Amino acid sequence: GAGVSQSPSNKVTEKGKDVELRCDPISGHTALYWYRQSLGQGLEFLIYFQGNSAPDKSGLPSDRFSAERTGGSVSTLTIQRTQQEDSAVYLCASSLAGGWTGELFFGEGSRLTVL
Amino acid sequence: DAKTTQPPSMDCAEGRAANLPCNHSTISGNEYVYWYRQIHSQGPQYIIHGLKNNETNEMASLIITEDRKSSTLILPHATLRDTAVYYCIALKAAGNKLTFGGGTRVLVKP
Repeated sequence: GAGVSQSPSNKVTEKGKDVELRCDPISGHTALYWYRQSLGQGLEFLIYFQGNSAPDKSGLPSDRFSAERTGGSVSTLTIQRTQQEDSAVYLCASSLAGGWTGELFFGEGSRLTVL
Repeated sequence: DAKTTQPPSMDCAEGRAANLPCNHSTISGNEYVYWYRQIHSQGPQYIIHGLKNNETNEMASLIITEDRKSSTLILPHATLRDTAVYYCIALKAAGNKLTFGGGTRVLVKP
């Protein structure tokens, strides 16, 4: 596709359920990032994938959060046993070879609401 | 990556130049200065980046002081669509993650 695609765009779930959020980066982009943004807050870094290197998971807030990237392309962010404080917009971004090369392209985000 | 400091908010008049300051006094020689913006309800958008020299593209100009301790993003003719949160980020080369601070909330007024 032309840009970074995220799905679902909106997800409402009950506390305690697991959710999966998907990100399709721009074809050929080797770097992929996940961020989250709570209402009225700034962007919080979660995890970063670069090629075949081990991902930088330093931003994941708890062990309920995990992410994988299959075949160097599509990524899935999984949140287990969701809590109300997990409610946020989850943003995915990709770039050609790491953020320093210039432009990160962001998707429109997946809005998660935990009831 | 060096910490950056930006004013939390600023207003500017439509059609006038908007000058957005950023301090990065601890920036190291191999750290780039990046600017992104986030329009309400959208994902962030890359604007421009630079290392030492001033840069210009179709969106904005970036002026970096000679000592590299501060920079200014210039939107030459602000429009209402430029209302957004603008983020200044210092980032080392070699694939580091981009970390966003609080940014400057810019309101362009008619």
